[in-house]
Amino acid sequence: DQQVKQNSPSLSVQEGRISILNCDYTNSMFDYFLWYKKYPAEGPTFLISISSIKDKNEDGRFTVFLNKSAKHLSLHIVPSQPGDSAVYFCAAVYNTDKLIFGTGTRLQVFP
Amino acid sequence: DSGVTQTPKHLITATGQRVTLRCSPRSGDLSVYWYQQSLDQGLQFLIQYYNGEERAKGNILERFSAQQFPDLHSELNLSSLELGDSALYFCASSPGPTTNEKLFFGSGTQLSVL
Repeated sequence: DQQVKQNSPSLSVQEGRISILNCDYTNSMFDYFLWYKKYPAEGPTFLISISSIKDKNEDGRFTVFLNKSAKHLSLHIVPSQPGDSAVYFCAAVYNTDKLIFGTGTRLQVFP
Repeated sequence: DSGVTQTPKHLITATGQRVTLRCSPRSGDLSVYWYQQSLDQGLQFLIQYYNGEERAKGNILERFSAQQFPDLHSELNLSSLELGDSALYFCASSPGPTTNEKLFFGSGTQLSVL
């Protein structure tokens, strides 16, 4: 039972363009959402988060949007840079106890 | 460098064996989390310890166990290993008990069961 789904296993974007990574969830009790980025041979690193009471959070080139009615989360990266090439994991927090991750989307930013 | 140290980086063993994975959290962090990442799978939450006590449990098999010691380092013990246990095991830490704060991950232990 995959409660957090990232349906696109990979995404390829040209440098300078916008990257949009999507995430869907099924549990309306999730109260916090996070994005992590993972480079090869490294552990995931925190990128940005959003509380369920908000619909947008921005940090530099990264913006996370939350659509609660659609149970949908997205991460926008503008402008995309080659160094953004990594695997991006969406994660959701349930009851402050469990952090549930999606399966990840591999982003490749090409020149 | 996240400040979280996991050893060993790689482990190759045979079915039926037992292994121990070790994690040292960031200085000052009281929570330790263990995650398993299998091929094409997301990070599956296994278990969390906070200040020496088990705080939350995920999809951890009965063959697996963990503990957090007084110096706050943690060990994940995997026994009666099966081929399907081959995966990347991550440890993460955070200052407090709740998971709505960001976690700091180690670089993982790659376990191969042959």
